[in-house]
Amino acid sequence: GQNIDQPTEMTATEGAIVQINCTYQTSGFNGLFWYQQHAGEAPTFLSYNVLDGLEEKGRFSSFLSRSKGYSYLLLKELQMKDSASYLCAVRDSNYQLIWGAGTKLIIKP
Amino acid sequence: IAGITQAPTSQILAAGRRMTLRCTQDMRHNAMYWYRQDLGLGLRLIHYSNTAGTTGKGEVPDGYSVSRANTDDFPLTLASAVPSQTSVYFCASSEGGGAGANVLTFGAGSRLTVL
Repeated sequence: GQNIDQPTEMTATEGAIVQINCTYQTSGFNGLFWYQQHAGEAPTFLSYNVLDGLEEKGRFSSFLSRSKGYSYLLLKELQMKDSASYLCAVRDSNYQLIWGAGTKLIIKP
Repeated sequence: IAGITQAPTSQILAAGRRMTLRCTQDMRHNAMYWYRQDLGLGLRLIHYSNTAGTTGKGEVPDGYSVSRANTDDFPLTLASAVPSQTSVYFCASSEGGGAGANVLTFGAGSRLTVL
């Protein structure tokens, strides 16, 4: 079966750095996505990795290791508005997206 | 404002009733999708359409049907609602489908409760 694993919940402090991990077992791999979803709202796109390495976009970075089936999302200089769920999704060999259940990130002052 | 419009925002429905969730996009995206989101689970694909006039089944299609008569509209119909269809439903679109699919744009969601 296909599986995406993420921690259910994480807590971090405003101004700090947090790393959200995602491991996957899928039938094939055609890219990994991270989305942000605030409570009661729609998911919005954050990042996309298809090759190994780090993709940086402002305060957010995403890393991929295809050999390990592993990715992480790194959030720096945390702000209260970063409190949200972070969804990891992998595109499989059929180009279908397989979604993780999401990691709820709680930011404390 | 360019994007996806879903209606209704929320609905309480008696079991056995028929319900259509509407989805309209103005981005001229080729591909459209319907997902359901349940607590503790990842988004699950119900149906998709890679281009107007074609549709396909996703991971959880039973009890749902879709149509794609034109590029902009992608309604989702529950023929006879059951309590297990209580969920938040998201419509999404992308510029391409299949191998061309990339970033998804989501609607605001429709919260459906079946009693």
